[in-house]
Order: sequence, then structure tokens, then C-alpha cells
Amino acid sequence: EDQVTQSPEALRLQEGESSSLNCSYTVSGLRGLFWYRQDPGKGPEFLFTLYSAGEEKEKERLKATLTKKESFLHITAPKPEDSATYLCAVQAWGSGGGADGLTFGKGTHLIIQP
Amino acid sequence: DAGVTQSPTHLIKTRGQQVTLRCSPISGHKSVSWYQQVLGQGPQFIFQYYEKEERGRGNFPDRFSARQFPNYSSELNVNALLLGDSALYLCASGTGGNEKLFFGSGTQLSVL
Repeated sequence: EDQVTQSPEALRLQEGESSSLNCSYTVSGLRGLFWYRQDPGKGPEFLFTLYSAGEEKEKERLKATLTKKESFLHITAPKPEDSATYLCAVQAWGSGGGADGLTFGKGTHLIIQP
Repeated sequence: DAGVTQSPTHLIKTRGQQVTLRCSPISGHKSVSWYQQVLGQGPQFIFQYYEKEERGRGNFPDRFSARQFPNYSSELNVNALLLGDSALYLCASGTGGNEKLFFGSGTQLSVL
């Protein structure tokens, strides 16, 4: 069974204080690892897809990295508007070679204080 | 451009009742997926439909069913509602590969 564990559950930072969020995963065959951002009362918003160990992607103050067992979401000099819940998800190859649904972690609730 | 739209936004039902949730994908997207999100948890996969056919099913009981129409919109049906079905139901659309899903804002279902 595919599993995703995110840590910490909650993180409070001062504006400008950089940090990293962790996503540990176990999956039978990784098709992709995804990061989403979710604001209160809204659906998740896509951030990144990573496919293979060693891959990195960046967007503004966010950088996602991937190893064979975990992914990190690095947040550099965060601003209050970066406050949100960050969700990690994996997609495995289905038994027939087709795509299955995403398996999400519980998320990290990030608060950036001015 | 319109994003993924879901209706209704909020719904209150009683145990044992049936409910139908609706989703319209982004124009041009042929895949629709449904997820259940309980407060404090990540979304849990229920169904994926592509070109009107079921492509994947999560670990949910047969009380949950869905379908996709020729215009690629979709409905999620839940029969014999239980208190534990109270959750945010999210619809997501994509091009078919699940590589980048676009989520709607969800339907908040409360079962009393």
C-alpha cells in the first residue's frame, strides 16, 4: 500500500526565515511525486511534479527536491502570503500499467508571521 | 478561463439519505477525478473517469458511485449516507495523465 508521511504537521516561521518541509513516501512504482498548496476553503493548487531521484524544480521562493525515499519543499525568505497547507502526493503505476489516483499526505500547515 | 466548477458548495443531509454532487471540468479536459477530504487530513482518492469510462477506483464502499457525461462533466453519488461521510468532496480535472490536476473548491457535505 502506498504511503505518504509529511513532517512537521505544523510550522510557524517569521517572515524571511527559511525552512524545509519533508515528505517521506513508500510506493510500489513511482510515476510522479506532486506538491500542492491548499488555502482554507479552497481546493489544492498545483505547485510541482517530480519524476526521478535527483530532480529539482523551482518557483519563486519554493524549491522541490526528490530522492528515492523522500522529497523536500524548501521555502526561502517566506512572506505572509506563503501561509497555507502544503500537501505532498504520490502517483503509482497501476497494475495494468495505467495511472492510479494520487495518494496524499496529511499536509504541513505553514504560518508565516510578519 | 473558467476553472473547475462544483455544485452545490454546501449541503446538509440526514443519515440514510442519498446525495448527488456535480462537477464541470476545465474546457478541453477529458479526465475527472473525485477526492474526499476529511478535516485535518489529505484528500483521499475515490474515482477517476476518462473519456466517460472509469479508469481508477479508490478504497471506498459500493455506496459511492460516479459517472461522466459526453460533455465530460461528472456526478458523484453517495447512497445510504453515514455520519462519517461528512467531508469536503473535491473534483479535479486534467488531460488524462494525472500529471497536473486542477481542483475545484469542493462541496462541503454535512451528514446529521
